[in-house]
Amino acid sequence: NAGVTQTPKFRVLKTGQSMTLLCAQDMNHEYMYWYRQDPGMGLRLIHYSVGEGTTAKGEVPDGYNVSRLKKQNFLLGLESAAPSQTSVYFCASSLDAGNTIYFGEGSWLTVV
Amino acid sequence: EDQVTQSPEALRLQEGESSSLNCSYTVSGLRGLFWYRQDPGKGPEFLFTLYSAGEEKEKERLKATLTKKESFLHITAPKPEDSATYLCAVRAGGTSYGKLTFGQGTILTVHP
Repeated sequence: NAGVTQTPKFRVLKTGQSMTLLCAQDMNHEYMYWYRQDPGMGLRLIHYSVGEGTTAKGEVPDGYNVSRLKKQNFLLGLESAAPSQTSVYFCASSLDAGNTIYFGEGSWLTVV
Repeated sequence: EDQVTQSPEALRLQEGESSSLNCSYTVSGLRGLFWYRQDPGKGPEFLFTLYSAGEEKEKERLKATLTKKESFLHITAPKPEDSATYLCAVRAGGTSYGKLTFGQGTILTVHP
């Protein structure tokens, strides 16, 4: 039971570098989400997708881009990393807008 | 704007000492209140969904209840393995993508 899988789990970036976080789900879910979790801020939605080929902005989208070329994958990109993007990133998925959202194990990103 | 406030921020219990965690919310048209458990270094793990005032759900030592303004997570005779951060989230009506708004969580520590 893989569920939602994120790679990499840990990454250290220098300011200005770019990187991509990969999320894969094997539950045939339509909806996928990227959240970030910061101390004292709770989980905040970055971007989401309601199906293959679609993406949309969440609460805190600035500095991030996403792509959903395949139904099972949702990629989160940082084009020019900033220290403010140091955070724990969680990918999640749900069958549709009314169902439970299931989370991955998280990706710890540090930007120095 | 949807808001979720959890209290207390941290709770220390002795093994066997029952207590409750609170989640107060304001949302336009509740379409579900969710409880998650999060262990250190892990992603949120789904526990319960409540949809209407008066609804209750149980799982082992945990029981979640819902009123029109708040939800409680009752922990009966807790064990050290119940130690975790408990997250509450709401889904509002009118969103087409199932977005969850999270509280900041309650850190529960159960001492043997």
